[in-house]
Amino acid sequence: DTAVSQTPKYLVTQMGNDKSIKCEQNLGHDTMYWYKQDSKKFLKIMFSYNNKELIINETVPNRFSPKSPDKAHLNLHINSLELGDSAVYFCASSRGRGGNEQFFGPGTRLTVL
Amino acid sequence: GNSVTQMEGPVTLSEEAFLTINCTYTATGYPSLFWYVQYPGEGLQLLLKATKADDKGSNKGFEATYRKETTSFHLEKGSVQVSDSAVYFCALAGLNAGNNRKLIWGLGTSLAVNP
Repeated sequence: DTAVSQTPKYLVTQMGNDKSIKCEQNLGHDTMYWYKQDSKKFLKIMFSYNNKELIINETVPNRFSPKSPDKAHLNLHINSLELGDSAVYFCASSRGRGGNEQFFGPGTRLTVL
Repeated sequence: GNSVTQMEGPVTLSEEAFLTINCTYTATGYPSLFWYVQYPGEGLQLLLKATKADDKGSNKGFEATYRKETTSFHLEKGSVQVSDSAVYFCALAGLNAGNNRKLIWGLGTSLAVNP
């Protein structure tokens, strides 16, 4: 059973489009995260939700909007995609409000043309 | 504020060589420290962790000791294998402004092990 799953694995789209990435975890964790990893492997946290409440919201363009329908799901919607949004996006989950081991999904490679 | 400084890569070693990847940190209080590994094409996974000073984390032949006096958490392995080729991230669990903990990540160190 996959612990943290993301769909799609690859996403290729044109500039200006709107796209969503979905994440689900079956670990019973109450905190979920979105990270962006650039081509140099630099990892940047974007958002974190605890029991559907937004607890970390880093400096991210407001074209990015997370949504957590329940504590097992955290989706990421991106409006008006730009070239600089091309990256690998990772979802992760953990127990508690951060600081514990985080379990990562396999990543979604987004390419904006 | 909290920060993690990790040695830059890439690091290239021959099989069975000794590995050290340096990691130092600045933090208030007593953060937990972690090493994560990212194999090619995969997400990150926890390699080892330490939660207090002088703790030693170990897994898969890798070790790291939480040294408060030198604010370091260096990763070591006595004999690397080709399968250890990956990117290694040092991280600490620090408090943010809202009193929630988040992981502060190093920049990652790429390791390539040649047969």
